[in-house]
Amino acid sequence: NAGVTQTPKFRVLKTGQSMTLLCAQDMNHEYMYWYRQDPGMGLRLIHYSVGEGTTAKGEVPDGYNVSRLKKQNFLLGLESAAPSQTSVYFCASITVQRAGNEQFFGPGTRLTVL
Amino acid sequence: AQSVTQLGSHVSVSEGALVLLRCNYSSSVPPYLFWYVQYPNQGLQLLLKYTTGATLVKGINGFEAEFKKSETSFHLTKPSAHMSDAAEYFCAGTYSGAGSYQLTFGKGTKLSVIP
Repeated sequence: NAGVTQTPKFRVLKTGQSMTLLCAQDMNHEYMYWYRQDPGMGLRLIHYSVGEGTTAKGEVPDGYNVSRLKKQNFLLGLESAAPSQTSVYFCASITVQRAGNEQFFGPGTRLTVL
Repeated sequence: AQSVTQLGSHVSVSEGALVLLRCNYSSSVPPYLFWYVQYPNQGLQLLLKYTTGATLVKGINGFEAEFKKSETSFHLTKPSAHMSDAAEYFCAGTYSGAGSYQLTFGKGTKLSVIP
């Protein structure tokens, strides 16, 4: 199993450009999450999905959109990138078949917006 | 709102010394608690977790944590620090009543190990 993978690993954008980050998991997990990590802030939840075709807002959703058309994939979109969106983005997934299961994290995408 | 607080954004210890990283949670309902480690330019790796049952939890790489409900704490310890322990550590919690299983993270503690 590859676990949770993220594409791309690095990206540099100019202000106003758009892009999509792809998260894929091969563990048949039901729930998926997108976080951003900024120095001194820990990880903050952007959006999450509890199943195919469903998404919900997290703590910091503004400026981002998501889609989960397939159970194994969770896409994070930036329609018009801003310098404040410079961050490291992590995707995670979890199976809820047992209470207390941990989230599995991808390796991250480092995004710089100029 | 639930919160997880890590005391100390930076902790330095000498190689071979005790490692103690502090984590407190706010909730009247005991949560599920986790410690994750992040090495430079990498993702998060689970160290250990508390769900129910035994309050002293052992994890990987010689780390352990004790859940203390009376103190709302879940501090991470390791008897003897190794150079390879230098990393950032995150405490996180989720709650059995939260249907989304969202994790609330502390802000992280960066551990430095001095030779």
